[in-house]
Amino acid sequence: GAGVSQSPSNKVTEKGKDVELRCDPISGHTALYWYRQSLGQGLEFLIYFQGNSAPDKSGLPSDRFSAERTGGSVSTLTIQRTQQEDSAVYLCASSSNQGITGELFFGEGSRLTVL
Amino acid sequence: AQSVTQLDSQVPVFEEAPVELRCNYSSSVSVYLFWYVQYPNQGLQLLLKYLSGSTLVKGINGFEAEFNKSQTSFHLRKPSVHISDTAEYFCAVIGRLNTGFQKLVFGTGTRLLVSP
Repeated sequence: GAGVSQSPSNKVTEKGKDVELRCDPISGHTALYWYRQSLGQGLEFLIYFQGNSAPDKSGLPSDRFSAERTGGSVSTLTIQRTQQEDSAVYLCASSSNQGITGELFFGEGSRLTVL
Repeated sequence: AQSVTQLDSQVPVFEEAPVELRCNYSSSVSVYLFWYVQYPNQGLQLLLKYLSGSTLVKGINGFEAEFNKSQTSFHLRKPSVHISDTAEYFCAVIGRLNTGFQKLVFGTGTRLLVSP
């Protein structure tokens, strides 16, 4: 597509429920990133994909968080048994290389609210 | 590992006034530096980047930034701001290494508020 697409744009859920957030990167971009943006916290790195593999999962905050990428394209971030502290905007970005010197293209984010 | 400090969480300024948004970084290796901008209800977009060469880099919308290695800074400046520059600005750094994945590390952001 023309840009990075994320869905849903807004999600309100109850504590303890599972949620799935979807990211559709720019066509042809091999690198995909998930970040979390919390109020006053800046952007927190969660996970990076190169193709379908995730060389760096170091940012996932707990084992309730997981992510996968299929076909080198769409990625899904899953949060199990959501907690109130999971409330944040989840941002996805893609790039044409590992992003070392290149530009990351961000989606508009998925705002998650856990009640 | 790298880290970024943006000391100013919010900077209010009048239209047509100059502005400087401060960014300092910490790293044990050489770095690449970036400024991203997030307009209300939009995704982040790249404003400018320093990779090598001239330490003064120019970006979109009249912004520029200067890399100062001795002060480990990469402050963003604009000589005359517009209402439309109201946004959140993020400084980011990545380690300049040839092997392995290096993640882009962001600061906490500075909200620029331009008023008439």
